[in-house]
Amino acid sequence: EEQLVESGGGLVQPGGSLRLSCAASGFTFSNFEMNWVRQAPGKGLEWVSYISGSGRKKYYADSVKGRFTISRDNAKSSLFLQMSSLRAEDAAFYYCVRDHNWAYDFWGLGTLVTVSS
Amino acid sequence: QSALTQPASVSGSPGQSITISCTGTSSDIGGYNYVSWYQQYPGKAPKLLIYKVTNRPSGVSYRFSGSKSGNTASLTISGLQAEDEADYYCSSYSSSTSWGVFGTGTKVTVL
Repeated sequence: EEQLVESGGGLVQPGGSLRLSCAASGFTFSNFEMNWVRQAPGKGLEWVSYISGSGRKKYYADSVKGRFTISRDNAKSSLFLQMSSLRAEDAAFYYCVRDHNWAYDFWGLGTLVTVSS
Repeated sequence: QSALTQPASVSGSPGQSITISCTGTSSDIGGYNYVSWYQQYPGKAPKLLIYKVTNRPSGVSYRFSGSKSGNTASLTISGLQAEDEADYYCSSYSSSTSWGVFGTGTKVTVL
C-alpha cells in the first residue's frame, strides 16, 4: 500500500528554522517527482516546491524562494523541506505530494507548522 | 504567481449537474494541457479527480468530467450526490513558476 508520512512540523518563532520530512513506502520512490504543497488553516492550496526524481531539478514558489530548500534521499525513500527565516504567513499544513502524469496523484496526511512568538 | 480563479461557491440539488470554472492565462491553462482537479473534504488531504484536462484516475466516478477552452478549464459533476459536498481545486502547470499553480478553490453545496 502506498504511503506518504510527513513529520517535523511544530511551533517555531518568527525567523526560526524547521526541517520537514516525508517517508514514502509502497512504491519506487526514485521513479517519481515530488512536491510540497501547503494549506493555511481555512485557506486554499499553495504549491511550494518541486524536485525531480534524481534530485537534480528543483523549483520553488516565489513566496519561499531563497528561504526553503527541497531535497530527497532516494536510498531512504525520503523527501525533505528545510525551512528558514520563517514568517507568520508560512504557518500551514504542509503536504508531501507525489507527482505523476503532470498531476498530484498521491498526498500525505500533512504536518502542521505554526509560526508564532 | 497569481492563483487561478475559481468561483467561491457553487450549489445544486441532488441529481443535477454543476460546473466549476477555473480561469488562468496563456502561461498556464491556455498554454498547456496539464490541468488537474482535486476534491477535499474538511480535515482531509486532497484527492485527485482529473488529470491532463480530461482523464480520470482509476476509481474516480464517471460523474466527474473535465474540459478546457482557451484559458478556462471546467469540472462538471453530473448526477450530484450529497457526498459531493466538498471543496474543489483546479491546478495547472505554469511557465511562471516552472511548475504548479492552484486555483482559489470552490465550495460545492448540495441543497
